[in-house]
Amino acid sequence: DADVTQTPRNRITKTGKRIMLECSQTKGHDRMYWYRQDPGLGLRLIYYSFDVKDINKGEISDGYSVSRQAQAKFSLSLESAIPNQTALYFCATSDPGGGGPDEQFFGPGTRLTVL
Amino acid sequence: QKEVEQNSGPLSVPEGAIASLNCTYSDRGSQSFFWYRQYSGKSPELIMSIYSNGDKEDGRFTAQLNKASQYVSLLIRDSQPSDSATYLCAVNGPTGFQKLVFGTGTRLLVSP
Repeated sequence: DADVTQTPRNRITKTGKRIMLECSQTKGHDRMYWYRQDPGLGLRLIYYSFDVKDINKGEISDGYSVSRQAQAKFSLSLESAIPNQTALYFCATSDPGGGGPDEQFFGPGTRLTVL
Repeated sequence: QKEVEQNSGPLSVPEGAIASLNCTYSDRGSQSFFWYRQYSGKSPELIMSIYSNGDKEDGRFTAQLNKASQYVSLLIRDSQPSDSATYLCAVNGPTGFQKLVFGTGTRLLVSP
């Protein structure tokens, strides 16, 4: 079974619609992240959470919001989707207390298309 | 200046050769360095992490770190067609903890 899962895996929506992307993990990691990936721009951090009560903006948080429902669940919402939010979205987790510091492990991704 | 820079490639090598991938970073305070492999349409997969100057070997992969020159490299020995992918360099960012900054990746093509 996958350690980090994302749903949905693919989503096509229209401009103005509200969209939620969900991430769940069984790794037991406290820290979770949301990234988007665009061709030529690499991975960019949207939001990150160090625990259920600690949520922080990343470099491109405008137009997005998040919810950390539990240690294992971290959701990303697009309140009113726009076409330039079309991208590949990844959730990642890390555990500062285990293995090497800062190592992040990624979910399979959600391909989002906003028409 | 980008914080983490990589040549976008593609880097083409024949099967069995050594592939050398390079990455430079701008923040001298960076402490943690990572190489991820990403196949087209898939998620990044961590293949190497390095924290100290010098070489770190894991199977066919060797990561090299030179903090004085601010570069980190990845060598892939005995390259296989299955190694064809985009390789992302990641560095812990200049502010905050556990915030990685990613390069845009180098595409590697290994021909049979």
